Amino acid sequence: AQSVTQPDIHITVSEGASLELRCNYSYGATPYLFWYVQSPGQGLQLLLKYFSGDTLVQGIKGFEAEFKRSQSSFNLRKPSVHWSDAAEYFCAVGGSGTYKYIFGTGTRLKVLA
Amino acid sequence: GAVVSQHPSRVICKSGTSVKIECRSLDFQATTMFWYRQFPKQSLMLMATSNEGSKATYEQGVEKDKFLINHASLTLSTLTVTSAHPEDSSFYICSARDPAGQGAVIEQYFGPGTRLTVT
Repeated sequence: AQSVTQPDIHITVSEGASLELRCNYSYGATPYLFWYVQSPGQGLQLLLKYFSGDTLVQGIKGFEAEFKRSQSSFNLRKPSVHWSDAAEYFCAVGGSGTYKYIFGTGTRLKVLA
Repeated sequence: GAVVSQHPSRVICKSGTSVKIECRSLDFQATTMFWYRQFPKQSLMLMATSNEGSKATYEQGVEKDKFLINHASLTLSTLTVTSAHPEDSSFYICSARDPAGQGAVIEQYFGPGTRLTVT
């Protein structure tokens, strides 16, 4: 079955600390992977995406993610978190067949001053 | 580029009435649009896939007679919640696929969402 797992429902980090949000997927075909951020009451903002090529992907706001096919993972990282990064983060996977996305359950990030 | 808008951003309606939500691709033609529903503090659940000029394809468990989707043009899809009830209150998000875009293979562009409250 196709699925996306974000094991951490909540994560709390101090401002300035590093961050890693985990994402594991199960997908039968070539996966196209995405990370989105959502602030309360707002829509989704694309942070980064992986289609092919270099497995380390750079995104906006200082985020990066690494695609590891052997581990079926696409973890999101940021070396130094800012208070404004507090939000909900969603990992998603899609494929070229139906063009549908499958979203993970999300990770809520809290940043301590 | 690749901007998707939704209207209205917020709507309050009385139980038993119908409400229409519009999703527009502003700078590209979208042959395929998607409608998602998001309950508070939960993930996005795909409701249906809307293809221009044809009937929408609904996900399992979604009532097609309650959530009417029309994709009459390449830039507009509408979601009508018919005979709305309080349990239909939710955040509805649309997305659109740009078949001519750089990410034509798969990428969706998301609208800002519509908050529906049924009283």
